[in-house]
Amino acid sequence: AQKITQTQPGMFVQEKEAVTLDCTYDTSDPSYGLFWYKQPSSGEMIFLIYQGSYDQQNATEGRYSLNFQKARKSANLVISASQLGDSAMYFCAMKSYRDSSYKLIFGSGTRLLVRP
Amino acid sequence: AAGVIQSPRHLIKEKRETATLKCYPIPRHDTVYWYQQGPGQDPQFLISFYEKMQSDKGSIPDRFSAQQFSDYHSELNMSSLELGDSALYFCASSLKAAGVYGEQYFGPGTRLTVT
Repeated sequence: AQKITQTQPGMFVQEKEAVTLDCTYDTSDPSYGLFWYKQPSSGEMIFLIYQGSYDQQNATEGRYSLNFQKARKSANLVISASQLGDSAMYFCAMKSYRDSSYKLIFGSGTRLLVRP
Repeated sequence: AAGVIQSPRHLIKEKRETATLKCYPIPRHDTVYWYQQGPGQDPQFLISFYEKMQSDKGSIPDRFSAQQFSDYHSELNMSSLELGDSALYFCASSLKAAGVYGEQYFGPGTRLTVT
């Protein structure tokens, strides 16, 4: 069975500093995708970044980068130069090739608070 | 660019009433997903449709039903509402051909409150 684990229920970071949000996953499928979503207090789910299991390089999108360590089954999100607007809930999610519907399985999330 | 549209955005119902949530996927997307997010919880998969046929089913109560219509919009019907049904309901759409590499595009959600 697929599973996503986020062990940090909440985190603080100082504005302009970098922060790493942890995500580990469990799957026996060699083909899968890992996603990070941001959910501000308004509730919408905002896609941030994606990593495929066969990707050789870590994904980057602006201030977001994904530290993908396949052997450790981890896909940590790194946010550089934190901004006050980064305060939100962050979800790590996965979908697996063997699951033909390609539904997303989410972790429990990490609430990030950026301090001025 | 067109996004996923959900209506209504907010809905207040009483126990035992019925609710219908609507989702309009991004044009040309062939797959629709419904997720339920309870307060303080992560989104949980309810049901999905591919080309108007149900493709997968999660922990969806028997009181709930859903379908996808010929124009690809989808509706989630919820009957005999319970207090525990209060949640944020997301619809997402994608292209099945994108497989595990494709992003799911989420709508803004419908916040259902059952009193």
